[in-house]
Formats: sequence, C-alpha cells, structure tokens
Amino acid sequence: GAVVSQHPSRVICKSGTSVKIECRSLDFQATTMFWYRQFPKQSLMLMATSNEGSKATYEQGVEKDKFLINHASLTLSTLTVTSAHPEDSSFYICSARRTGGDTEAFFGQGTRLTVV
Amino acid sequence: AQSVSQHNHHVILSEAASLELGCNYSYGGTVNLFWYVQYPGQHLQLLLKYFSGDPLVKGIKGFEAEFIKSKFSFNLRKPSVQWSDTAEYFCAVNAQAGTALIFGKGTTLSVSS
Repeated sequence: GAVVSQHPSRVICKSGTSVKIECRSLDFQATTMFWYRQFPKQSLMLMATSNEGSKATYEQGVEKDKFLINHASLTLSTLTVTSAHPEDSSFYICSARRTGGDTEAFFGQGTRLTVV
Repeated sequence: AQSVSQHNHHVILSEAASLELGCNYSYGGTVNLFWYVQYPGQHLQLLLKYFSGDPLVKGIKGFEAEFIKSKFSFNLRKPSVQWSDTAEYFCAVNAQAGTALIFGKGTTLSVSS
C-alpha cells in the first residue's frame, strides 16, 4: 500500500508553453501533498504545500503564478509550470501524507522536465 | 529555520565494509528524523524514521540510525554494505507531524564488488 504515482515521468516542452504534472495517491487519501524540486547533485527543496480544497502554501521565493498547484480531490494534486523557461528544467517530486496518518510521507517517482 | 547537514558528499566503499553517514540538524525543539534512499532511476524510499522512544532505530535492509539529542545528530550505519546499497541517501527532518520534510543535500554511496 501507500503508492504515489506521478505522471509524466519525463516531459520535454518548448519555452513559453505550460506543462502539467500529476501526483496521485493510488491506495490512500491524502489531505496534504508536497511539491519538491531537485537540482542535479542537490537536495530536494520544498516548493509548496498543497491542501485539498484550499489554496496551496508556497515557500519563499517560489512564484505562485508560475507554479500553479491544484488539489481538487483527496487523491490528486497537480503542478502546472506556466510559460516554462529553460531555467525551469529540473526534477519535480511530489509526496503525499495519508489523511489521519502519522508523519510519514510517501514519494512519487518524480518528473524530469526539460524546457528547450 | 530548520536545516539539515550531511557531511559526506560521496562515499566509496568496498563490499563488506562498514558504513556510517553523518547527519546533523539545526532546530532547538522536538523533531522527527528520517533517512531516505534513492536508487538509480527510482523514487525515494524510507529507510527508517525516529519520532520518539529508543534513540537507536532499526530500519530496512540492515540499516540503523542513532539519535543523539545532545549532538543534534542522526547518523546512519550499516555493519556490512553490499553492492546493491549503491544509491543516494538523504537525511530529513520535520518539527511537526504532517509538515513538509527538510532534506539534507544527500550522500552518494558507491559500493564496489
């Protein structure tokens, strides 16, 4: 149990276009999901906390108008990178915490975004 | 603000050698501590976690970690590594149940057979 699936696993897009990444909890409900960004040889940096039915909470320095987060159901959160630029190229990872569960978060497999 | 420091960027060991990866955190209050592993091409997996109780925590695949509150440390250990332990290891912390994790920069472990 406790599987988190991200889709797509890899995506290449042109500068100026938008890309949507999905994060699904397959076998549990997740009131809270987290979006991270990982640069090569770097740690995971928290971008935002996504709460079902409410607005996401963004970390300092993360543009909320550029990285749109929607958490419309207890099993799905989406991250849309709008007007993507090459510097947005990165590895994006989501994690989900089971509703009513302990502090353990389960991670998706990540999405490699390349903007050309 | 919380922060996590992993001292070793890249560790190279031969099979059967003992492993210890350092992790220190910066936070004055009660924390929850985690070690995650990321095998090449795979997602993060939880190795072990500490919330309270016995400071020596045993995880999967023969790993263990010891929480030393006075040193703000949570070092990961394994008595005898295998080639299959080659991966990226991340130490992480959160100060409150359900909040996001703060990760260290990770340590790359390479084990030669």
